[in-house]
Order: sequence, then structure tokens, then C-alpha cells
Amino acid sequence: DAGVTQSPTHLIKTRGQHVTLRCSPISGHKSVSWYQQVLGQGPQFIFQYYEKEERGRGNFPDRFSARQFPNYSSELNVNALLLGDSALYLCASTPLVSATYEQYFGPGTRLTVT
Amino acid sequence: SQQGEEDPQALSIQEGENATMNCSYKTSINNLQWYRQNSGRGLVHLILIRSNEREKHSGRLRVTLDTSKKSSSLLITASRAADTASYFCATADSSYKLIFGSGTRLLVRP
Repeated sequence: DAGVTQSPTHLIKTRGQHVTLRCSPISGHKSVSWYQQVLGQGPQFIFQYYEKEERGRGNFPDRFSARQFPNYSSELNVNALLLGDSALYLCASTPLVSATYEQYFGPGTRLTVT
Repeated sequence: SQQGEEDPQALSIQEGENATMNCSYKTSINNLQWYRQNSGRGLVHLILIRSNEREKHSGRLRVTLDTSKKSSSLLITASRAADTASYFCATADSSYKLIFGSGTRLLVRP
């Protein structure tokens, strides 16, 4: 079975631009979470979506938004990019919304903002 | 913000030796999970220990949890070069998100 997939693998953007990152969860998983990992730090929670509804949001500005589609795939959008948005963006899926399950992470999208 | 700190930040050992990493956290938890990350890529789940458990084993991994001290440890026995990676603890309360520590970078020298 395929694991969590993310696209693109790498991305270079300029300050002020917009970016869209994509994630496909493991088949049968209905919950998708997004994390930001800045170099040298642990991942930080951005969003969780379950059944197309936002179930949780971390401490990130409104420039960050996401959505989940009927097939449970998800997009993370970041507007007005800042240099500090350079990071590895990780998507994780679980069968249900609870964090009492292990999360299955994708390989990540490396975003560089210049 | 990070849930807590991991100790040490970096660890270098010889192949065959044991590696111990510690994790401290701040709030009440439902469970604590350990993940491995190779070369800044995706995280791989290693083990989950629930708040009512004190010790758990999986292959060469042994995890302990002390909720009174809000701390956990991960022991990797008989380490191999392939164990070289960053290791993160993550805590989960009854909600939806994981809160990660800052990680321990492990180098296993052949």
C-alpha cells in the first residue's frame, strides 16, 4: 500500500509570493495534519482536517490556510511568503481525528523562500 | 512552541553500544510517541506509550515513561550505523495534535 505522498518535493519561491502544497493520505485515512519544521527544530502543528472540516489550528498567522477534499487529500496554502516560512512542511495522516493513534508522515515538501 | 526539551541535543556512539535519549514535557498527556527522522525527511513512528504504561519494548527499543516527573527515555540497544538519525519525542493530549520536542541527533560510528 502507498504511504502518505506529498508534492512537490522541493520548491523555491520569492518573498511575497503564494504557495500551495499537496498531500494524499494513506488509503482509508480520513484525517490529515500539517506540520512545519524549521531547520534544527522539531515539527510544529499547523492544522488538522477531518472529514473536510478544520478540527484544529496551531499558532500560525492567517496567511496559512488549508482545505481537505472529498477524497481526503489536502492542500496547504501560504500567502505573502516571508523568509521565515522557509521550512520542511510535513503532512501526516491517521484513520481518525484523535492524536491517540500513531501518525503516518509523508516525506515532506522543502520550501525555500528567497 | 515546543512541548519540552530532549537531552542530549547530540549523541555520538560506537556501533554496538547503547544509546539513551531523554525527553521532558510540561503538560498532562494521553500518550507519548517517539519518531525517527533521517536526513531532514519524513518522520517514522517508532513506539507509542500510553500515560498508564511505565515501560514498553519494541525490538531493540525500550521506552520508559514517568508521568510524575513528566519525562520519558528511549533506549536503543546494540546500535547500528543505520540508526544514525534524529529522534523526536511527541506528546499527545486528548485532542488532535502532537507536540514535538527539539530532538536528539544520534550518530553511530561504524
